[in-house]
Amino acid sequence: LAKTTQPISMDSYEGQEVNITCSHNNIATNDYITWYQQFPSQGPRFIIQGYKTKVTNEVASLFIPADRKSSTLSLPRVSLSDTAVYYCLKTGRRALTFGSGTRLQVQP
Amino acid sequence: NAGVTQTPKFQVLKTGQSMTLQCAQDMNHEYMSWYRQDPGMGLRLIHYSVGAGITDQGEVPNGYNVSRSTTEDFPLRLLSAAPSQTSVYFCASSYRVVGYEQYFGPGTRLTVT
Repeated sequence: LAKTTQPISMDSYEGQEVNITCSHNNIATNDYITWYQQFPSQGPRFIIQGYKTKVTNEVASLFIPADRKSSTLSLPRVSLSDTAVYYCLKTGRRALTFGSGTRLQVQP
Repeated sequence: NAGVTQTPKFQVLKTGQSMTLQCAQDMNHEYMSWYRQDPGMGLRLIHYSVGAGITDQGEVPNGYNVSRSTTEDFPLRLLSAAPSQTSVYFCASSYRVVGYEQYFGPGTRLTVT
């Protein structure tokens, strides 16, 4: 159940774009990359998922290069409410395991 | 749909006591899992199930049992509570394990004294 590697923390200011990179060198052919957001005292919440290239939804974009050994979550124009912990997961065939996550602090 | 529900929300146990944390989902999801989260840490997988009658161990299974007799329910049993099991416990479910969003319950905050 090899996990992913992310920065422990990041700081940003309101209105900026934030990019969080995740390393997953041992990704398997049928693994997806999924990102979750967690606020204090709440369960994680799904943000976005992808297999390769680029995926965009109403809250974020996910960039996965051709070798799929890393991925980047992009949050456009963050606000104070985006302060949270962000987890990158490889969704393997049998189980999902979380790493330590990236604690994003957005300042006014 | 109620989504994923967990009971109780809070629980205090004495060392050596046993109890069952309840988890239920009404979305007909095949995949269910239990995680624990210690203060300031990430989630660690305890046990998971890919369907009724099928369970498997995660990263930290010792001291916990699970069963999956129905699609809807996935209870987590603490056999003999220890202070090291003080944590917040999250249950999650998804349609399948690969390629589908996981839905998390609100969590159970457990304190073992």
